[in-house]
Amino acid sequence: GAVVSQHPSWVICKSGTSVKIECRSLDFQATTMFWYRQFPKQSLMLMATSNEGSKATYEQGVEKDKFLINHASLTLSTLTVTSAHPEDSSFYICSARDLSRAKETQYFGPGTRLLVL
Amino acid sequence: AQTVTQSQPEMSVQEAETVTLSCTYDTSESDYYLFWYKQPPSRQMILVIRQEAYKQQNATENRFSVNFQKAAKSFSLKISDSQLGDAAMYFCAYRDYFQGGSEKLVFGKGMKLTVNP
Repeated sequence: GAVVSQHPSWVICKSGTSVKIECRSLDFQATTMFWYRQFPKQSLMLMATSNEGSKATYEQGVEKDKFLINHASLTLSTLTVTSAHPEDSSFYICSARDLSRAKETQYFGPGTRLLVL
Repeated sequence: AQTVTQSQPEMSVQEAETVTLSCTYDTSESDYYLFWYKQPPSRQMILVIRQEAYKQQNATENRFSVNFQKAAKSFSLKISDSQLGDAAMYFCAYRDYFQGGSEKLVFGKGMKLTVNP
């Protein structure tokens, strides 16, 4: 139980294009999802908290117009990297809370590797 | 602001031996949660163990156990009978208690564990 999926797992795109990453909770409803970014050999950096039916809350220093988050349903949140540039290349991970279980625990997706050429 | 410190960037252990990973944190809250997550080479974040600060009893999950010292703000992870599959990055994480507190996870920098056959 508490399975979170991400799609795609790998994406390569040209500079200037936009890329959408999906995060789905497969066997539970997630009113809150989280988006992280992880650089090689570093820890996870929280980018934003996504709440179903409302605007995402972005961490300081994260450009909300650059990283668009939509949480349209209880099982799906999307992160769109707009006008991607090589410096946006990274590993993006989402997580979700399952309120029917241990509500304080975040369950993580497998991550998406983004490479911008 | 809450902080989490993992002072050892790398450790190694012989298969079947026991190893202890250290973590300290700083908070002014009295109620909170602490976690250990494992990130193997696949980069999937996996919950290892969870501890509620208001519980004095140390959490255990099979071969994994914690030594939670609230006064010292210390939260170490002990892995017994180490297996090759335990090789991974280990992250210590903190979050406020749910009611009225931040839902954010605060991560340490991580520690790379190598298991030698």
